[in-house]
Formats: sequence, C-alpha cells, structure tokens
Amino acid sequence: AQTVTQSQPEMSVQEAETVTLSCTYDTSESDYYLFWYKQPPSRQMILVIRQEAYKQQNATENRFSVNFQKAAKSFSLKISDSQLGDAAMYFCAYHQAGTALIFGKGTTLSVSS
Amino acid sequence: DTGVSQNPRHKITKRGQNVTFRCDPISEHNRLYWYRQTLGQGPEFLTYFQNEAQLEKSRLLSDRFSAERPKGSFSTLEIQRTEQGDSAMYLCASRRTGLNSPLHFGNGTRLTVT
Repeated sequence: AQTVTQSQPEMSVQEAETVTLSCTYDTSESDYYLFWYKQPPSRQMILVIRQEAYKQQNATENRFSVNFQKAAKSFSLKISDSQLGDAAMYFCAYHQAGTALIFGKGTTLSVSS
Repeated sequence: DTGVSQNPRHKITKRGQNVTFRCDPISEHNRLYWYRQTLGQGPEFLTYFQNEAQLEKSRLLSDRFSAERPKGSFSTLEIQRTEQGDSAMYLCASRRTGLNSPLHFGNGTRLTVT
C-alpha cells in the first residue's frame, strides 16, 4: 500500500526567511501526482502546489516550490520569503489512478516576526 | 464556484445516538470524498463516490458508518450508535475526474461524542 511520511511534526521560520518541509512516499507506480495542501488554524484545507510524476521539472507557484526526486521518492516543499500568513499545518498527499488521495500526518509551520 | 459546503459545522451528541452529516460538492465535480481528521493528524480516507456510485470504502469505515450520494449530487455520512472514538472532524472534498485534478475541501463537520 502507498504511504506518505512527513518526518517533521513541527518547523519554525522567521519572516522573510526560507523553510523546507520534507515528504517521502512509497509506491511501485510510475504515474501519479503529488500535492501539498495548507490548513490554517480552524480554516479549510487549500491546495498549495502539485507535481506530476512524469515531469522532471519541479513545480513552482510564486513563493512556493518543490524539490521532486522521483528515484528517492522525495517531495519537499520550499517556502521562500516566509510571511506570517504562511503559518499553518502543511500536508503532503499522493494520488494515483483509481484511488483516493493519501495524506501524510502533517507538519505544523510557525512563522515569527 | 461556490465551494464545497458541509452541514452542520459542529455536532455534539451523546454516545449511542445516530448522527448524519451533509456535503454539497462543487456542482461540476463528479467525485466526492469523505475523510476523517483528528487533532494534529492528517486526513484519513473513509470513502469516495463517482457520481452516485460508491467506488471505495476504507477499512476504517466500520459497519456503523454509511454514506450515500443519491443522484450524484449531495452526499450524506451517517454514523450509527456513536462512540467517543468517533469524535473528530469529518471533511468532505470534491474534484473533477482526472489524476491532476486537486481536491477542494469543505470546512468540515466537527463531531463531539460525550
């Protein structure tokens, strides 16, 4: 069965600095998608960024980018120029055809001024 | 796009009672998912529908849980004979068909079983 592991329960960063959140996954499939979702306190989960497994180029969305290492089954999220509004719980998720998205346990990110 | 709507937002019930939650997905989304999330944890998959067909159920979904999606529009999740361990946030999400189509989540229903 596919699994998603986020080894950092908590991370902290100062405003304007850069932080990287780690995610590893286990699969025998070659075609799948990976996602990072953000869940602010008491608010709904929203999509941050997604990556197609067959694309070697790392996805970027403004201040958010990923480092996708398919052979290592690693999918880290880099947040540049961190802002107070980035404070949230971040979830890595894996999706392959015919199944539901599988989420990791999450990393709580704190941002200090 | 009015977003995924879930009702109620909060539900407090006594152990042994039945509860039912409702989810209204984004109208053009044919896939609908139910997840359960406990404090500080990631969402755990419960079940999902494509239109009105329930395609997959997690082993987490005991016989006390049942979900429906009549006519392929809104969905309901019913928990019978609730237990304290059922206390959690129940999240509904929807998406279009397609591997790259992301999930859109509702605000969730927080269930507290006393």
